[in-house]
Amino acid sequence: EPEVTQTPSHQVTQMGQEVILRCVPISNHLYFYWYRQILGQKVEFLVSFYNNEISEKSEIFDDQFSVERPDGSNFTLKIRSTKLEDSAMYFCASSETPRQFFGPGTRLTVL
Amino acid sequence: QQQVKQSPQSLIVQKGGISIINCAYENTAFDYFPWYQQFPGKGPALLIAIRPDVSEKKEGRFTISFNKSAKQFSLHIMDSQPGDSATYFCAASLNSGYSTLTFGKGTMLLVSP
Repeated sequence: EPEVTQTPSHQVTQMGQEVILRCVPISNHLYFYWYRQILGQKVEFLVSFYNNEISEKSEIFDDQFSVERPDGSNFTLKIRSTKLEDSAMYFCASSETPRQFFGPGTRLTVL
Repeated sequence: QQQVKQSPQSLIVQKGGISIINCAYENTAFDYFPWYQQFPGKGPALLIAIRPDVSEKKEGRFTISFNKSAKQFSLHIMDSQPGDSATYFCAASLNSGYSTLTFGKGTMLLVSP
């Protein structure tokens, strides 16, 4: 079965630094999402992306966050100036039907 | 309005038993209700999903029961196996699922041998 892949698997950064999390969605999917999961808590929606633009975003997705689909395969999440509270597992998901396929996640640790 | 409440937080079931996890929602506009299974270190994976026009959906050992009037839905795992030990999340979505997922807080299931 095709898979969503994410890199890196673990990212450690200093507070205030910029990070870029990368995702390769399943190739024929049209809808892309980022979610995050703080340790031991529920999965929370950040942003969805369709037809090269943001279709929905949550209140978590403030001006420090941005998404991009720089080419036909990658989908990235950038956090401009990381805060301690950004430490979480970040999941990318993609879909062409209501079934969303999740990647394995990137664990972001902000020190 | 956007919340999905899930219970219990954790559950221990003996091998061969029935695991039952419950969820309740508030937003009557939700029209797609999936259950996701997550193993440690992995992303959530879709297990089974239901739409509000049916009251029950069964796939193998997994059944969703849906009560539209009570705004509740539940996952039943029959003949639970140690390999079912994972965290289970219920979720809800608008637009027949072509929208963001609102997740419950998760249930950590342990099936004892």
